[in-house]
Amino acid sequence: QSVLTQPPSASGTPGQRVTISCSGSSSNIGSNYVYWYQQLPGTAPKLLIYRNNQRPSGVPDRFSGSKSGTSASLAISGLRSEDEADYYCATWDDRVSGVVFGGGTKVTVL
Amino acid sequence: EVQLVESGGGLVQPGGSLRLSCAASGFTFSTYTMNWVRQAPGKGLEWVAYISSSDSTIHYADSVKGRFTISRDNAKNSLYLQMNSLRAEDTAVYYCARGVVIVYFDYWGQGTLVSVSS
Repeated sequence: QSVLTQPPSASGTPGQRVTISCSGSSSNIGSNYVYWYQQLPGTAPKLLIYRNNQRPSGVPDRFSGSKSGTSASLAISGLRSEDEADYYCATWDDRVSGVVFGGGTKVTVL
Repeated sequence: EVQLVESGGGLVQPGGSLRLSCAASGFTFSTYTMNWVRQAPGKGLEWVAYISSSDSTIHYADSVKGRFTISRDNAKNSLYLQMNSLRAEDTAVYYCARGVVIVYFDYWGQGTLVSVSS
């Protein structure tokens, strides 16, 4: 049972917009930055979004992050086949003094 | 080019010990925080431990506290994870990850598999 709650799956057709939610509490998302990681099949995770809504260089602007209160979201617009991957949200939790990850969302491009 | 290469994984019996290493190159190792993150087969990511650049601050996940020890040798550009009293539920791919600040993992290694089984 993850501290951060994500839907296990999401899907869309090429070109569509897909949104992934990440729900937490006041001790984690409510008081700390949210980060998003993409894990392509068989590879190590990769940083996708940092500090709620910032993209590292090289990450397409099709990916965007937002945060409101104790929830965060990752949006993928103009969905492409290469976006098929697992996506994880993460943040610091003040109550447990540790990093917490969401359970992950598998995105499928139909 | 930033590179993180883990080693030391393998098969170990329950109750046994293992020491993982992560060799870093391509950046000034001593100025970055480092982390271990693991992923059980078919499961999600689980943060394991954090160490600050000068090892003055260390944090552990509750699931490994008292059994695992994170350390680093800045002179050797290396990160370590000493794992004792291993349990079946510790079976996972272990990744080392560079941290700009905690949670901000900007580079990851390819991982090393630890299997705990009799």
